[in-house]
Amino acid sequence: DAKTTQPPSMDCAEGRAANLPCNHSTISGNEYVYWYRQIHSQGPQYIIHGLKNNETNEMASLIITEDRKSSTLILPHATLRDTAVYYCIGGPTSGSRLTFGEGTQLTVNP
Amino acid sequence: DAGVTQSPTHLIKTRGQHVTLRCSPISGHKSVSWYQQVLGQGPQFIFQYYEKEERGRGNFPDRFSARQFPNYSSELNVNALLLGDSALYLCASSLGGGNQPQHFGDGTRLSIL
Repeated sequence: DAKTTQPPSMDCAEGRAANLPCNHSTISGNEYVYWYRQIHSQGPQYIIHGLKNNETNEMASLIITEDRKSSTLILPHATLRDTAVYYCIGGPTSGSRLTFGEGTQLTVNP
Repeated sequence: DAGVTQSPTHLIKTRGQHVTLRCSPISGHKSVSWYQQVLGQGPQFIFQYYEKEERGRGNFPDRFSARQFPNYSSELNVNALLLGDSALYLCASSLGGGNQPQHFGDGTRLSIL
């Protein structure tokens, strides 16, 4: 699985867009990029995943660079409930083993 | 639809005891994975089961074992508990195969005294 690098923390104002970057320069051609978030004392919540095309769902948008070495998760209108640790995960191809890093602590401020 | 459910939510054990944690996957999901999350760290993969067979194992000692039942629910067993086994144990289910995302339960908080 690809190693990912994320900033340890970020702040965002409520109502503004939150843009969370992730570097996954070692990702292979058939590995997906997954994003999860974890609110304190809860299990990780699946947000979105993609291979090479940009993806959007009701929670967020995922922008993957053309060379697939980095991606950005966009929360278009952050709320206080979006405060959480966000994990970017490269792979796996089999859908089995997720390798979590340290993630980014996003704090949405009023 | 119900999400992944885990039981119990909290558990306190002493060193040397054994513990069994239970997980019910989302209806229709055939793959179950187990993760251990120590305070302040991201979850670490322990096992994956698909169609009742072990399909992956992480770097955990043989004290950790698991199984999946015909209804796709799963149990994680840990023997000879150590203080270092104190953690949040997470179960995740998925349809299985390919790039299907895993969906997590809220875990079992295990404390070893």
